[in-house]
Amino acid sequence: EPEVTQTPSHQVTQMGQEVILRCVPISNHLYFYWYRQILGQKVEFLVSFYNNEISEKSEIFDDQFSVERPDGSNFTLKIRSTKLEDSAMYFCASSEQGVTDTQYFGPGTRLTVL
Amino acid sequence: AQSVTQPDIHITVSEGASLELRCNYSYGATPYLFWYVQSPGQGLQLLLKYFSGDTLVQGIKGFEAEFKRSQSSFNLRKPSVHWSDAAEYFCAVSSGNTPLVFGKGTRLSVIA
Repeated sequence: EPEVTQTPSHQVTQMGQEVILRCVPISNHLYFYWYRQILGQKVEFLVSFYNNEISEKSEIFDDQFSVERPDGSNFTLKIRSTKLEDSAMYFCASSEQGVTDTQYFGPGTRLTVL
Repeated sequence: AQSVTQPDIHITVSEGASLELRCNYSYGATPYLFWYVQSPGQGLQLLLKYFSGDTLVQGIKGFEAEFKRSQSSFNLRKPSVHWSDAAEYFCAVSSGNTPLVFGKGTRLSVIA
């Protein structure tokens, strides 16, 4: 069964550094998403991406964040200058159609900012 | 704004016992409702979803959920729990053209 993959599984970085989290969505999916989950809190929507542009973003997704689909398979989340409060589990998801279609989630990347 | 409340942070049930996980949502119109499960080290997997029609929805792994508009609830049930059901369960809501809003999750432990 096709699945969403994410790399790395765990990333440790120093405050102020840039990080790039990588995702490979399911190949025939057109909609891509990033979510995050701070330890002990709920899963929160960050951004959705369709047709090579952001279709929606939350208040969390400020100028420090960006997303890109650099080629036909990868979908990346960049945090330009990490803060301590960016420490969280980041989930990538993809769906064939829009937001009400089944979203398939990756296993997540745990980001630790020191 | 939509919101989801999962009142139970942690539930422990015996293997073979029945299970009900509670979910209450806040949304003015008819919501799109979802239940996801997350096993350790895994991503979230969709168990079932409700958009319209029959208010009792069947999902994978023997799970079902019932939409009750009068109670703004979408509780997840399973008649007989297996040890492999131990995981974190998330309820989520959407208006249909807005992103998913998740609850905080309920951790299920299964004992012999």
